[in-house]
Amino acid sequence: NAGVTQTPKFQVLKTGQSMTLQCAQDMNHNSMYWYRQDPGMGLRLIYYSASEGTTDKGEVPNGYNVSRLNKREFSLRLESAAPSQTSVYFCAGRRVGADNSPLHFGNGTRLTVT
Amino acid sequence: SQKIEQNSEALNIQEGKTATLTCNYTNYSPAYLQWYRQDPGRGPVFLLLIRENEKEKRKERLKVTFDTTLKQSLFHITASQPADSATYLCALEDSGTYKYIFGTGTRLKVLA
Repeated sequence: NAGVTQTPKFQVLKTGQSMTLQCAQDMNHNSMYWYRQDPGMGLRLIYYSASEGTTDKGEVPNGYNVSRLNKREFSLRLESAAPSQTSVYFCAGRRVGADNSPLHFGNGTRLTVT
Repeated sequence: SQKIEQNSEALNIQEGKTATLTCNYTNYSPAYLQWYRQDPGRGPVFLLLIRENEKEKRKERLKVTFDTTLKQSLFHITASQPADSATYLCALEDSGTYKYIFGTGTRLKVLA
């Protein structure tokens, strides 16, 4: 099993460019999440998808859009990148059930916006 | 406002000692709380979950406590080893919303 896979691993963008970060999971997760991690700020929730067909804003959604393409895939789009979006982005998934199951994370996409 | 706070300063301890990390939260009423470990360049990995009706949970050298009155969880690593050096994050679900919120994490360094 691959688990949670994020692509690309690294990306450099110029201000104003757009790009989509991809996330796919093969763990039968119902819920999927996008976080960004900055020094001293911890993990901050950008958007999440509680189940296929739904998406909701997290703590820091401005400047981002998401698509839950199907149960396996959850993408994050930057329409017009800004230097403030330089960060490490993590995707995570979770199988919702009675056992309060934990999040499973990918290994991140390191994005630099110049 | 809602907050989850962990000691932002790094914690350095000697090998063999017990490390204690703190997680405090404000304006949440979580049914459970989770702890994760994160190594440099990797995503966080789940360690332990404790429910609101559990005062203490153990797994090998790890122990977690949860005090819903103090709104605090403590994470202990006994007989610490250099391999325990990592950043440790606490997380909770904003009740009923599926939103998982994380603390800022505490970096632990165990000195040989």
